[in-house]
Amino acid sequence: QVQLQESGPGLVKPSETLSLTCAVSGYSISSGYYWGWIRQPPGKGLEWIGSVYRGGSTYYNSSLKSRVTISVDTSKNQFSLRLTSVTAADTAVYYCARDRFTSTYAFDFWGPGTMVTVSS
Amino acid sequence: QSALTQPASVSGSPGQSITISCTGTSSDVGGYSYVSWYQQYPGKAPKLMIYEVSNRPSGVSNRFSGSKSGNTASLTISGLQAEDEADYYCSSYISATTHVIFGGGTKLTVL
Repeated sequence: QVQLQESGPGLVKPSETLSLTCAVSGYSISSGYYWGWIRQPPGKGLEWIGSVYRGGSTYYNSSLKSRVTISVDTSKNQFSLRLTSVTAADTAVYYCARDRFTSTYAFDFWGPGTMVTVSS
Repeated sequence: QSALTQPASVSGSPGQSITISCTGTSSDVGGYSYVSWYQQYPGKAPKLMIYEVSNRPSGVSNRFSGSKSGNTASLTISGLQAEDEADYYCSSYISATTHVIFGGGTKLTVL
């Protein structure tokens, strides 16, 4: 069974950089699939942030592209999210998930999520 | 691009059937057979319930079914149970650059 677990600071100051890591178990990232980040502001809906392939190819939401970097570390079986110049609007629960991009275009396994608050 | 349009809330009694709609455009829902549905309990991660419009992942009850007509996709839950009370989100592939967009979510209340 594929399992994902997000980790990172729960509080980030405005204008700073949000950094999260997603550890994957039960499946080797180097074997394939895309791996993505999705966020959900409190009381609101889901927003896809971006996804990365095992080889490092990335796809980003155009509305966040200028601030987002997603990378993969196959040796540690994990992938990471960096979001720069954060504001209060970036306060959200951040989920990592396996992304069936180019096949079913669905997210079939999700991490439990981690709450990130942007505040001074 | 705007989020897909879902009703804010729907409700039904145990045993009944309900349908949640998800309306997009010919550029997303209407243009591809890549509509997914997710169930989310409060404080929990979303769970994939339907993919490619009408396919169920292994382990998902056959009480859940999906369909699409034109620019509107639908999730139907039959034999409603108390445990079905949750938020439901649809999503659709939109393009290779934008990837996917989600609906605003629908809160299902089991009366």
